[in-house]
Amino acid sequence: DIQMTQSPSSLSASVGDRVTITCRASQIINSYLNWYQQKPGKAPKLLIYAASSLQGGVPSRFSGSGSGTDFALTISSLQPEDFATYYCQQTFSTSRTFGQGTQVEIK
Amino acid sequence: QVQLVESGGGVVQPGGSLRLSCAASGFTFSSYGMHWVRQAPGKGLYWVAFIRYEGSNKYYADSVKGRFTISRDNSKNTLNLQMNSLKVEDTAVYYCAKEGGGYMDVWGQGTTVTVSS
Repeated sequence: DIQMTQSPSSLSASVGDRVTITCRASQIINSYLNWYQQKPGKAPKLLIYAASSLQGGVPSRFSGSGSGTDFALTISSLQPEDFATYYCQQTFSTSRTFGQGTQVEIK
Repeated sequence: QVQLVESGGGVVQPGGSLRLSCAASGFTFSSYGMHWVRQAPGKGLYWVAFIRYEGSNKYYADSVKGRFTISRDNSKNTLNLQMNSLKVEDTAVYYCAKEGGGYMDVWGQGTTVTVSS
């Protein structure tokens, strides 16, 4: 199976900060990489698909980049509603593995 | 609106069985592949299984292969997950999710499965 490793596992940030979360795949996955946001007690929500395409209805402060094995999710100006856990997911293989998650907390 | 609603969760003893269902509405269910994803308490997301739109191809995580069976009834807009030989480590919230074309764009609210003696 393809392993997905996110960094950091958690971070503390303030409203207005620029935040970047990285995700590394154990093998080349081209651009088959998605990002999800999950809030406590809620289902995950798709933010970014195909590494850099913004899902409809998602604020433009979210952006994705990367290809091959290294990817990033950037929040340009952190808002109160963005405090959540973020997961990357590869869809290069039929076994759709997720990263371990990055928890974004209020500083 | 597009909606997925899971049901069938509960408490079961190790070695037991449980059948989860996911009712779909608001989209043409028979045109889309569907996934099951689970989340153990306090842990991350874990992909469990996928079934293609017509039900011909099914894929499973290694940890559930041979124990879980994904199926669908397109006439009833329903996705199922038959879980046999359950283990304590199968305890989780189970989500169904719609395949949007290389991503999961619609998720249900989840149903909780607890495997405990």
